[in-house]
Amino acid sequence: QQKVQQSPESLSVPEGGMASFNCTSSDRNFQYFWWYRQHSGEGPKALMSIFSDGDKKEGRFTAHLNKASLHVSLHIRDSQPSDSALYFCAASSSSFSKLVFGQGTSLSVVP
Amino acid sequence: EAAVTQSPRSKVAVTGGKVTLSCHQTNNHDYMYWYRQDTGHGLRLIHYSYVADSTEKGDIPDGYKASRPSQENFSLILELASLSQTAVYFCASNDGYEQYFGPGTRLTVL
Repeated sequence: QQKVQQSPESLSVPEGGMASFNCTSSDRNFQYFWWYRQHSGEGPKALMSIFSDGDKKEGRFTAHLNKASLHVSLHIRDSQPSDSALYFCAASSSSFSKLVFGQGTSLSVVP
Repeated sequence: EAAVTQSPRSKVAVTGGKVTLSCHQTNNHDYMYWYRQDTGHGLRLIHYSYVADSTEKGDIPDGYKASRPSQENFSLILELASLSQTAVYFCASNDGYEQYFGPGTRLTVL
C-alpha cells in the first residue's frame, strides 16, 4: 500500500480560481512534508515545505498540515495557466531522509 | 540554484542490454538519489548515496545498480535491461533541506 495517498488524480480549474490538493500519510514517522511541481518535460521542483501544524502561506500558495491526522493540503488561489502541471506531495522522516512521493495530481488551469 | 544535470536525456535500449545513466551535480551536496517515474506511481526511490564510494538501496532496487565514484557523479546501471524498466529516471541532490532534481532521462527498452 502506498504510504502517501494523494487526491484528486486530476483537477481542472478556471483561470483565477482556487485549486486544492490533498495528501494523507500512513506512516507516523513522517515529520517533513513537501509539495513539488513538475511541468511537462522537466524535473520536479520544490514548491513549499511544511513541518509544523497549521498553515504556511507563500504568495498565492497556502499549505496546511495536521500531524495528528497526517493530512497535508495545498491551495493555490488565483490560478494561472502557468500553474498547469503535475503536483506531488512528498514526505520524509528527516531533512536528509529519502522522500516518499504520492501518486501526483494533474492540474489544468483553463483560460 | 542547485544544478543537477543528467545524460543522456533519452535513450532506446534493447532487452538484455546494459544501460548506464549518468548524473552530475556541481553544488558539493553529499546526498544524491535516483528515482524512477511511472504514470500513476509518482516517483519511487531506486538507490541513494550520502558519500562517495558508497551507495544504499532504496525502495525498488531490484534490477539496478548504482555507482558514486566522486561527490559530483552518481550513475545508475541496468546490467540486463528489461521491458518493465521503461520509465523516466530522475537524479536529485540534497543540500540538507531540499532535494533538487535533474531534467530526467527517458528510457525506452524494446
